[in-house]
Amino acid sequence: GQQVMQIPQYQHVQEGEDFTTYCNSSTTLSNIQWYKQRPGGHPVFLIQLVKSGEVKKQKRLTFQFGEAKKNSSLHITATQTTDVGTYFCADSNTGNQFYFGTGTSLTVIP
Amino acid sequence: ETGVTQTPRHLVMGMTNKKSLKCEQHLGHNAMYWYKQSAKKPLELMFVYNFKEQTENNSVPSRFSPECPNSSHLFLHLHTLQPEDSALYLCASSQGQWGEKLFFGSGTQLSVL
Repeated sequence: GQQVMQIPQYQHVQEGEDFTTYCNSSTTLSNIQWYKQRPGGHPVFLIQLVKSGEVKKQKRLTFQFGEAKKNSSLHITATQTTDVGTYFCADSNTGNQFYFGTGTSLTVIP
Repeated sequence: ETGVTQTPRHLVMGMTNKKSLKCEQHLGHNAMYWYKQSAKKPLELMFVYNFKEQTENNSVPSRFSPECPNSSHLFLHLHTLQPEDSALYLCASSQGQWGEKLFFGSGTQLSVL
């Protein structure tokens, strides 16, 4: 399977600070999806990016897909305690084989 | 609720036991998946079924045996597992088309003693 790396592995931020996680692949990604997994929960779909250079926003969350379609980022502005969890990117190379990144665990300190 | 139900939520088994994990989806999806999530590793894709046909077996040991009797049900039969198989096993479903999102169940937390 493909290997999609995410950095950082862990991130602790003070509430109100911004947070960014990066997803990198050595090969071109067909599309990129982002999921959030709350502690003790299961991954929940956030968004999908398909086009080179695409940028999408969901309230305080901004998602970007690199021009070369080899990397993506998720940026959270002014974090809140409800943002706590692990954020995964996932690539669907062909058909329905979804390969997940290593994940970034976010802790928000009140 | 995501529309994907997994049972049991927790399972403790010995290495010589045989047990089965069950997954049912109520979303009318055509594809179902098994993922393994360990503490130190990312989500690992184990098996994919599309329209009841297995389309992916990601080098999973034979002590894990999947079964997909129809598009709504997926089983993972477990036999002579090892302690390193202890993990959260997640079932997911999707429409089965390219680029469709995954809907996950709550998972089965498995402990092998």
